[in-house]
Amino acid sequence: ETGVTQSPTHLIKTRGQQVTLRCSSQSGHNTVSWYQQALGQGPQFIFQYYREEENGRGNFPPRFSGLQFPNYSSELNVNALELDDSALYLCASSLEGGTPLHFGNGTRLTVT
Amino acid sequence: GQNIDQPTEMTATEGAIVQINCTYQTSGFNGLFWYQQHAGEAPTFLSYNVLDGLEEKGRFSSFLSRSKGYSYLLLKELQMKDSASYLCAVREEVNSGGYQKVTFGTGTKLQVIP
Repeated sequence: ETGVTQSPTHLIKTRGQQVTLRCSSQSGHNTVSWYQQALGQGPQFIFQYYREEENGRGNFPPRFSGLQFPNYSSELNVNALELDDSALYLCASSLEGGTPLHFGNGTRLTVT
Repeated sequence: GQNIDQPTEMTATEGAIVQINCTYQTSGFNGLFWYQQHAGEAPTFLSYNVLDGLEEKGRFSSFLSRSKGYSYLLLKELQMKDSASYLCAVREEVNSGGYQKVTFGTGTKLQVIP
């Protein structure tokens, strides 16, 4: 059973740039959720994808967008990066309606 | 929306027992999770409660009271490696959106001392 994998592990970007983060879900999982975790805080829900459609969104602006592909892998895109976007971005996969979230190791994004 | 509260920090002695409390307010409750997160790492799943009562898993137990909006995580025979953040997370059904969302508390940083 393959776990959740994320890439890249670390990334440094400049304010105003755009970034794409990638996630491969655990084998058999059809739902992917993205979270932002600032230092010393709990993960904050960004959005969730099920069967290639966004079916839930947290309090994040439209410059945070995503995709889910037929193989259930996913991307998180952030446009017009701001300094406050610096955080650990976590992807988690699950089965709709049932299982606990299984997290990848995250992407550490630094915006300078 | 929902509110999840847990203590920010706790300290306990190796070999002892520690209880980490979590209170929540939500509509559409559909389960409560506990996760462990070591510094710089991803959260890992510890336990899940959806019905009232105690779930035991080795040195870790978790309790839920839905009527009180209350849960706790109990760690027995503490080891140094248990030093980590412990995250309480609540799953709710978002009726307006027709999906289920998992929301996390800010985490309790546990330090185990010799």
